[in-house]
Amino acid sequence: AQSVTQLGSHVSVSEGALVLLRCNYSSSVPPYLFWYVQYPNQGLQLLLKYTTGATLVKGINGFEAEFKKSETSFHLTKPSAHMSDAAEYFCAVSPYSGAGSYQLTFGKGTKLSVIP
Amino acid sequence: KAGVTQTPRYLIKTRGQQVTLSCSPISGHRSVSWYQQTPGQGLQFLFEYFSETQRNKGNFPGRFSGRQFSNSRSEMNVSTLELGDSALYLCASSLELQGGGETQYFGPGTRLLVL
Repeated sequence: AQSVTQLGSHVSVSEGALVLLRCNYSSSVPPYLFWYVQYPNQGLQLLLKYTTGATLVKGINGFEAEFKKSETSFHLTKPSAHMSDAAEYFCAVSPYSGAGSYQLTFGKGTKLSVIP
Repeated sequence: KAGVTQTPRYLIKTRGQQVTLSCSPISGHRSVSWYQQTPGQGLQFLFEYFSETQRNKGNFPGRFSGRQFSNSRSEMNVSTLELGDSALYLCASSLELQGGGETQYFGPGTRLLVL
């Protein structure tokens, strides 16, 4: 069984400030971890994912996330927020059953507001 | 390169009816996944198809079914619709890259309203 908890359904940051979106997971098997973004009136987009190897993962638009097994966390960060980062962000976990096959369990999402 | 296409974009049905949604993946992508998004339950995984075979299935009742054709296009069917089936249904297509990694793209979704 697996689950994802995103701390904070709404997060507000000032433009230029650090963005930190929290995600904790539970999984009975080594997990694969994902962050997705959904811009207003647009579809979901994969930001980044952790499968194996380096625990610090860099994604698109300047975002990165670090897999911390001991803390069962996969927090998403960006050093400096832009107005265009305002969106809803979803953390997801999946067991990996081979050949690019995923069965994602999503968190409830965090809406990020960026204040000018 | 064309993106993931979902048809129809909007649909209104009544309880008890059935509905079929279609998803055309990006050319060359053989994996298609379906998700349901509702305000109450959030994003939930329905199922994934690869080369016409269902590889993974989420925790949805048997009223939800799908299939994939030889050209990788996929359909999702919901029978005996219930009010709670009102949702945005998202389709994603994926391609595993040589040397590891994967690209995944979502379609714009089909918004289903059950009255």
